[in-house]
Order: sequence, then C-alpha cells, then structure tokens
Amino acid sequence: DSGVTQTPKHLITATGQRVTLRCSPRSGDLSVYWYQQSLDQGLQFLIQYYNGEERAKGNILERFSAQQFPDLHSELNLSSLELGDSALYFCASSPQGRGYNEQFFGPGTRLTVL
Amino acid sequence: AQSVTQPDIHITVSEGASLELRCNYSYGATPYLFWYVQSPGQGLQLLLKYFSGDTLVQGIKGFEAEFKRSQSSFNLRKPSVHWSDAAEYFCAVGGEADYKLSFGAGTTVTVRA
Repeated sequence: DSGVTQTPKHLITATGQRVTLRCSPRSGDLSVYWYQQSLDQGLQFLIQYYNGEERAKGNILERFSAQQFPDLHSELNLSSLELGDSALYFCASSPQGRGYNEQFFGPGTRLTVL
Repeated sequence: AQSVTQPDIHITVSEGASLELRCNYSYGATPYLFWYVQSPGQGLQLLLKYFSGDTLVQGIKGFEAEFKRSQSSFNLRKPSVHWSDAAEYFCAVGGEADYKLSFGAGTTVTVRA
C-alpha cells in the first residue's frame, strides 16, 4: 500500500458525459501528479500540482482539468467524454515538486466510456 | 526531450532462472532513473531508484539495476525469478529540473513453471 488513495476504483459512463476522479496523496506529500495509462499510448503524464498550484502540464486535453485543494487532495475532471478516453488514470504523490522525484502511485481509477 | 525505450515487449522466463530487462534512456541532464512494477489490476510499485553514487542499486523483492552512463542504460536484473514476479515492468526517467516522469512502454514478464 503506497498510501495514495483514489476513488472510485471503476467508473462506467457514456460518451459526452463528465466525471470527476479523486486522489488523496500520502500524508505529508505536497505534490500530486496525474497519469493516463492506455493500451495505445502507454503511461502518459497529464498534469502536476504542488501545494495547490499547477506546476507542469503534459499531454492533457483541453476537455480535462484538475485542481488541488487546501487539504492537498486533488480532483481530475474529464468532460465531453469520448470512447478514446477509456483508460486507467493514476494519481501519484511525492514530498516535493522537483528534485527528489520519487513518486508513489495510487491503485488507479479505471474509466470505461461506452 | 526525455524518453525511455524498453526494447523487449514480452519476456518469458522459467521459474528459478535469471531475468534481465533492458532500459535505455535519453535525457539532457543528470537523470534520475526508476523501475516500477505493475501486477495485473494493481497500481505501480517502486522497485528501485538511482539518483547518484554507486551505479549498482539494490531494490525490493531481490531486484537490482545497474546504471551505465556511457550506454545510457539502466537494466534491471534478478538472479532467480519466482512465479510471483510475473507482471509488467516499467522503466522511468526524471530529473532535477523536471516535474514529471517519462515512462517506457513496459515489458511484460511471464514466468513458466
């Protein structure tokens, strides 16, 4: 158990819908990262937050957004969902935003878009 | 741009045999290197990491990896594989100036009895 929690574990929804994925980092970690794992794209970095502020953006679609709250949990919002958004979404956390870059991963949320 | 190549998509090994998974990276500065393992339906677990110092690093579950700067490689090894080692293995690179990790495509390991 990495100490990173993600809810829900599974999510099934329809095209065009909007969903919210939630992540709670390890106690004391200030940085949260979101990754998408799909069969065709592999593991891709989406976005990072550090102590409530966005720090880095990767291959994140404009339909997707995220935020980190004062209690340091983070939410990833996916809207206007398409079939191709079906994937495993991981959250990871680390103590700092850079340098010491060891990341601890949550169990993931499996999103299925029908 | 940083990138990671894992040349082997799938490896089958007999239980008790040795295992070596290859990883080559491209990074413009001093790299931080990681190996993660993902069991079916599970998240990613860190096996080991290299930041600096001794180029042979020991990890959990009996794994080790060797950093070779001249070859831009960070290969993972285990002397004797157990059936429970069947999983997907990912090599990743990050760095001092980076916020993210870049992952390779992964190598799936099958262990036969």
